[in-house]
Amino acid sequence: EAQVTQNPRYLITVTGKKLTVTCSQNMNHEYMSWYRQDPGLGLRQIYYSMNVEVTDKGDVPEGYKVSRKEKRNFPLILESPSPNQTSLYFCASSLLRTDDNEQFFGPGTRLTVL
Amino acid sequence: EDQVTQSPEALRLQEGESSSLNCSYTVSGLRGLFWYRQDPGKGPEFLFTLYSAGEEKEKERLKATLTKKESFLHITAPKPEDSATYLCAVQANDYKLSFGAGTTVTVRA
Repeated sequence: EAQVTQNPRYLITVTGKKLTVTCSQNMNHEYMSWYRQDPGLGLRQIYYSMNVEVTDKGDVPEGYKVSRKEKRNFPLILESPSPNQTSLYFCASSLLRTDDNEQFFGPGTRLTVL
Repeated sequence: EDQVTQSPEALRLQEGESSSLNCSYTVSGLRGLFWYRQDPGKGPEFLFTLYSAGEEKEKERLKATLTKKESFLHITAPKPEDSATYLCAVQANDYKLSFGAGTTVTVRA
């Protein structure tokens, strides 16, 4: 089954404790992206990647890191989480074709930073 | 900076009462405009991509249209199962994606 998986789905942590949220896709997509969703603000792009070893900042990259060492994986790293990073996070992937660039979203990771 | 504004924020409809959602945008070179549907607690689900002004796409009771400054999502004769939040997003030439805050549609039987 074609899908984007994220782990963990739920995470409660404390300020300053480094964490990684994993994202994996099995569709051989070039484009992968991370978003955070907050009430009233909609989805905001954190980072995106157009291929292995290529990453770019989205609208809200501060406090986050990403890496793309393999095509299928795009982990999101919070080196020193703070309470303002409490949010619902989504990973997504798509092809880069002009005529077929539907983004597939993962199920989401709800992060709480105390 | 790319911007996407959706209106209204919320829409309550009676079953069968057609209506339209608006998405106005400014973007530095449009690669595509996307519409998604999102149910509570789930990831967005793709509906349409529109690439150029004048383009229209349809899927069941939904029809999306695009001009140079805005897009409309028309819902014809909605049913309760069409209740969801509808998201609009634009992708710029640098592949950055910007979403609007969404329109929450509630359809009452």
